[in-house]
Amino acid sequence: DAGVIQSPRHEVTEMGQEVTLRCKPISGHNSLFWYRQTMMRGLELLIYFNNNVPIDDSGMPEDRFSAKMPNASFSTLKIQPSEPRDSAVYFCASRTARSTEAFFGQGTRLTVV
Amino acid sequence: GQQVMQIPQYQHVQEGEDFTTYCNSSTTLSNIQWYKQRPGGHPVFLIQLVKSGEVKKQKRLTFQFGEAKKNSSLHITATQTTDVGTYFCAAAGGSQGNLIFGKGTKLSVKP
Repeated sequence: DAGVIQSPRHEVTEMGQEVTLRCKPISGHNSLFWYRQTMMRGLELLIYFNNNVPIDDSGMPEDRFSAKMPNASFSTLKIQPSEPRDSAVYFCASRTARSTEAFFGQGTRLTVV
Repeated sequence: GQQVMQIPQYQHVQEGEDFTTYCNSSTTLSNIQWYKQRPGGHPVFLIQLVKSGEVKKQKRLTFQFGEAKKNSSLHITATQTTDVGTYFCAAAGGSQGNLIFGKGTKLSVKP
């Protein structure tokens, strides 16, 4: 298995633009997480899906952020409009079930200028 | 929501010295996981602790889960330069099944 696949690996965009981050979880995994990592705030859980259904989105910063999981093999995190403070590394992770290890993708480094 | 506090934030050691990072929660945890993130990399799972008072070892790494299941620690004996990275604890299996990470302890090892 190729592991969790995220794209793009790097994204530089101008303030106000829409940004879409993509994630393909490991086949057979039914839980998916989106995290944001910054020096100041560490690894923040943004949203957690189980069987494609959002279970906990309390970490989504504001309405500018939205996440979807239309099927078991694909998820997106969208920021519209983007702001410089959104600059961070965004990780997607998946796992088979509760209380099992999570596998992380390589991350997307987002820079908003 | 559930939170886990991790200390210290940074630790600088001389190669060969020991290292310990601590993780604390105000609520009882179902289980706790530990991850390591190398510089420029992504978090990688190390181990999961489930039972009260559990102790697990991986070579030079010793993981403990407190009796009350509210705290945990990771101890590295005789650090090596390959141990460099950030070590995270994560509270797993909460009521919603989410996975909440501590802020991590960044370890640097001077040769």
